[in-house]
Amino acid sequence: DAGVIQSPRHEVTEMGQEVTLRCKPISGHDYLFWYRQTMMRGLELLIYFNNNVPIDDSGMPEDRFSAKMPNALFSTLKIQPSEPRDSAVYFCASSSSRGAEAFFGQGTRLTVV
Amino acid sequence: AQSVAQPEDQVNVAEGNPLTVKCTYSVSGNPYLFWYVQYPNRGLQFLLKYITGDNLVKGSYGFEAEFNKSQTSFHLKKPSALVSDSALYFCAVRDLRAGNMLTFGGGTRLMVKP
Repeated sequence: DAGVIQSPRHEVTEMGQEVTLRCKPISGHDYLFWYRQTMMRGLELLIYFNNNVPIDDSGMPEDRFSAKMPNALFSTLKIQPSEPRDSAVYFCASSSSRGAEAFFGQGTRLTVV
Repeated sequence: AQSVAQPEDQVNVAEGNPLTVKCTYSVSGNPYLFWYVQYPNRGLQFLLKYITGDNLVKGSYGFEAEFNKSQTSFHLKKPSALVSDSALYFCAVRDLRAGNMLTFGGGTRLMVKP
């Protein structure tokens, strides 16, 4: 397996634009996590899914953020409209309930100017 | 609510010396505990985990961690540090009976000097 795949690796966008981050989890994993990493706040859990269903989205900072998981192979994190304070590295991770440990993608570095 | 604390923002150690990176946790049930390492511009890499059994668990790159239930700690250790161990280390906890959320500590930067 190629591991967790995130795209794009880097995204630079202007304030007010819509941004969509994508994640392909490891096949067979039934948990998917979205995290945001910044120098100020460290690694924050935004939302996580179990069997494609959102379980806890209390970490989503505002209504500008939304996440979907239409099937077991794909998830998106959307920011609309984007703001400079959204600049961060966004990580996706997946795990199986049997294995317990999560495996991370390489992250998407988002810069909003 | 579950939480993880890493009390040291940075740990400095000389190459060849033993290293310890501290972690304490809080969960309502039985914890699953993890250590991850992050190198610059990379994702987090899994190092080791404790689920049950022996309190001393061994992981990748010569790292090990000791689970202490009474102190609710899970410190990361290595007998002899390498310069290449310099990175950001994260402790994490998961409570499979509380929604299975994976919560990370704030991270500790390990600096190993030659």
